[in-house]
Amino acid sequence: EAAVTQSPRNKVTVTGGNVTLSCRQTNSHNYMYWYRQDTGHGLRLIHYSYGAGNLQIGDVPDGYKATRTTQEDFFLLLELASPSQTSLYFCASRGQGWNTLYFGAGTRLSVL
Amino acid sequence: GDSVTQTEGQVTVSESKSLIINCTYSATSIGYPNLFWYVRYPGEGLQLLLKVITAGQKGSSRGFEATYNKEATSFHLQKASVQESDSAVYYCALSGSGTGGYKVVFGSGTRLLVSP
Repeated sequence: EAAVTQSPRNKVTVTGGNVTLSCRQTNSHNYMYWYRQDTGHGLRLIHYSYGAGNLQIGDVPDGYKATRTTQEDFFLLLELASPSQTSLYFCASRGQGWNTLYFGAGTRLSVL
Repeated sequence: GDSVTQTEGQVTVSESKSLIINCTYSATSIGYPNLFWYVRYPGEGLQLLLKVITAGQKGSSRGFEATYNKEATSFHLQKASVQESDSAVYYCALSGSGTGGYKVVFGSGTRLLVSP
């Protein structure tokens, strides 16, 4: 069973704060993704990566940085958090040659 | 562009009744889209419910079914008799196939509430 673990599960910060969301997958998957989920919207892709050291820009990247330090670990960074970034964030991974995504349980972020 | 539309934000069904959750798609840049239903149970991440990669085929899992209708550009999710444990959020999605299918486009999700 594919495993994707996100931390923290919940986070509250203030406007202008610095936040790092973590994701680790133990599936040996090449691809990792960060999505945000907002009411009335589907999951929207923020950033994704093909492997360690690689970073690709998604559809809604503004205000977010990401870093893939190893094949297992993918981080999402909000350096100056804003209330518009209050959302539910999902990390996902996918294996080479497959298009099924495996998701973490999500991180709920509130920016006050 | 590519998009997925789920018109119902929430659906309430009585236990043992039938269910249909509507999904239509537009795939302008993806030539042969693969279609998916993902489900998110409370407190968990999304997990694959079923997928169909060939137009005209039907996928099924856990009593749910969906048929890839290329002419109608639809992929509606159906179940003949729902259970309370089916209460969850259901997402329709499309993707390209194979290694080129990095981009997955999701619908906005439909919350299913099953009343006892």
